Formats: sequence, C-alpha cells, structure tokens
Amino acid sequence: QQQVKQSPQSLIVQKGGISIINCAYENTAFDYFPWYQQFPGKGPALLIAIRPDVSEKKEGRFTISFNKSAKQFSLHIMDSQPGDSATYFCAASIIGGTYKYIFGTGTRLKVLA
Amino acid sequence: NAGVMQNPRHLVRRRGQEARLRCSPMKGHSHVYWYRQLPEEGLKFMVYLQKENIIDESGMPKERFSAEFPKEGPSILRIQQVVRGDSAAYFCASNSAGPGYEQYFGPGTRLTVT
Repeated sequence: QQQVKQSPQSLIVQKGGISIINCAYENTAFDYFPWYQQFPGKGPALLIAIRPDVSEKKEGRFTISFNKSAKQFSLHIMDSQPGDSATYFCAASIIGGTYKYIFGTGTRLKVLA
Repeated sequence: NAGVMQNPRHLVRRRGQEARLRCSPMKGHSHVYWYRQLPEEGLKFMVYLQKENIIDESGMPKERFSAEFPKEGPSILRIQQVVRGDSAAYFCASNSAGPGYEQYFGPGTRLTVT
C-alpha cells in the first residue's frame, strides 16, 4: 500500500519528441504528487507537483496528468531536449500530518541530439 | 539565500569505522528529512526530524544508525561500525511546513565503505 510504482526504468527519446513517464500508487490517502529531476552527482530538484483535485497541470514543457480513479499519474515532457537527460522520480505524500514522501524507483531519460 | 547544505560531499570509511553526515537546512526551515539512495535505485526515506525531536524513524535500520537535529547546529546522521552495504548517497531535505509540502534537497553525501 505504501509503494509507488514507476515505469519505464529507462527511456530514450529523440530531440523534439515527447517523453512519458508513468507512476501508480495504492494508498488512496495520498494527496500530493511531486516529480523530481536529478542530474548525476546532484540532489533531486522539484520539477512540478499536482494535487488530486485537478486532472492536469502544465508548466512550460512539463505536464502532469492525473487519473484519480485509476490511481495513476504521469509526466509528459514535450519537445524533449538533450538538457532534459536526467533521472526523474515521482513521489507521493499526504498534505499535513507526518506522513513521509514515498518515491518511485526512477526513470533514466536520455534525449538524443 | 543558501540552499540545503550537506557535508562532507564525499566520505570514505573503512569497515567498522563511524560515519557522520551533516545537514544544514535552508534558513527558516525546521523540518529535516534524510534519504538513502543506493546505486541505480530510488530514494528511500530514513528519518524525519524537527528541532530536538525525531518524528518518524520508520525507515532507519534498527541498529548502527541514529539521527539528531539539535536546537543549535546541523542535523547529524550517524552510522556506527559501517559495513560495505552502507555505501550509498545520503540526501538531506528540508522544508518549513511538513512532509506533504515541497522538500528542498541538498547535494548529498556519497559514502564509500572500503
């Protein structure tokens, strides 16, 4: 119930293409879903986050789609660029209280020039 | 405005030695979280602390690991009698509002046990 399953494990996309990363969760109490981007040797940095009261959130080339009934959410990177090559982690938590972040296992994205 | 600071960035210890990892949260942040990242794996929650209190240590191994966040000074993650399996990147994160809100991560400490 505390797992967040992330797929694919790795992804190769041509420059200009769309990168799609998917996550699924079990705990229906989760109400905060951030995505983090991590470059080699660096700490994760928040990319975009969504709450379940909306089905989609867009920030620049990055979009989160959220399907509450299916308990799934996904990250779409439009017009993918070589600089987007990094590892992406989804996570889930509960606003308020003391519940911790549960992270997915990560997706290593490589965008070919 | 300095971000989350961690030191050292790299730490090499021999088996059986102690490792001390330090984390200074962002200014104004009173919530600190420690995560461990094994090679090619995701981040695993270890412990959540507020000043002088351990709130959730459900991810901490039962033995050899301890954490503190004193009233003054950085948060410390201590690993006693390190073993090769402790080799990993240890990340600290902080925020001002609690676990459900954005957490800001430090650059991590990469621990290598030889």
